[in-house]
Amino acid sequence: EAGVTQFPSHSVIEKGQTVTLRCDPISGHDNLYWYRRVMGKEIKFLLHFVKESKQDESGMPNNRFLAERTGGTYSTLKVQPAELEDSGVYFCASSQDFLGEQYFGPGTRLTVT
Amino acid sequence: GDSVTQMEGPVTLSEEAFLTINCTYTATGYPSLFWYVQYPGEGLQLLLKATKADDKGSNKGFEATYRKETTSFHLEKGSVQVSDSAVYFCALRDSGNTPLVFGKGTRLSVIA
Repeated sequence: EAGVTQFPSHSVIEKGQTVTLRCDPISGHDNLYWYRRVMGKEIKFLLHFVKESKQDESGMPNNRFLAERTGGTYSTLKVQPAELEDSGVYFCASSQDFLGEQYFGPGTRLTVT
Repeated sequence: GDSVTQMEGPVTLSEEAFLTINCTYTATGYPSLFWYVQYPGEGLQLLLKATKADDKGSNKGFEATYRKETTSFHLEKGSVQVSDSAVYFCALRDSGNTPLVFGKGTRLSVIA
């Protein structure tokens, strides 16, 4: 069974540009999460989807971040326009059950210059 | 709010040395506690967990005991190997909540 996959693995963009990160959860997992780790700091929760609905988006930092999960399968996280402080590693995770074990992808390293 | 504090790294040990990575937490409810590990180039993997006080989670020779009285969940291994080199994250999930709350991570390097 394939694990959680994320694309791209690394993205380097200039301040003001737009970047879209993609996450493919484990097949059959209704719950999908986005987390972010800024250099040297904690991994922080961004939001949680149940199928295509946003269950909890309390961790989204501001309105430059837009997450979607059309059709309840893969998810995208768009940052527009990117700022320097958005640099970090963005992790996606999925779980089968609402409080089940979360399986993480390898992350996307975003560098904004 | 909830938080997790773990010892700063990096930690460098010789093979077969004893490992302790300290982790303490603050939570408003009754959390479940976790240790995740990230090997180079890979995603986070659940290493072990404990869901109630005095529970001991164990896996791959690693152990951690849920200590409610000291709000701690320290990770231990009696004899580390080079293959244990990774970043270790302590985390909690408070009762009824789904988001994980992580510590900053501790990088462990084991040298032969």
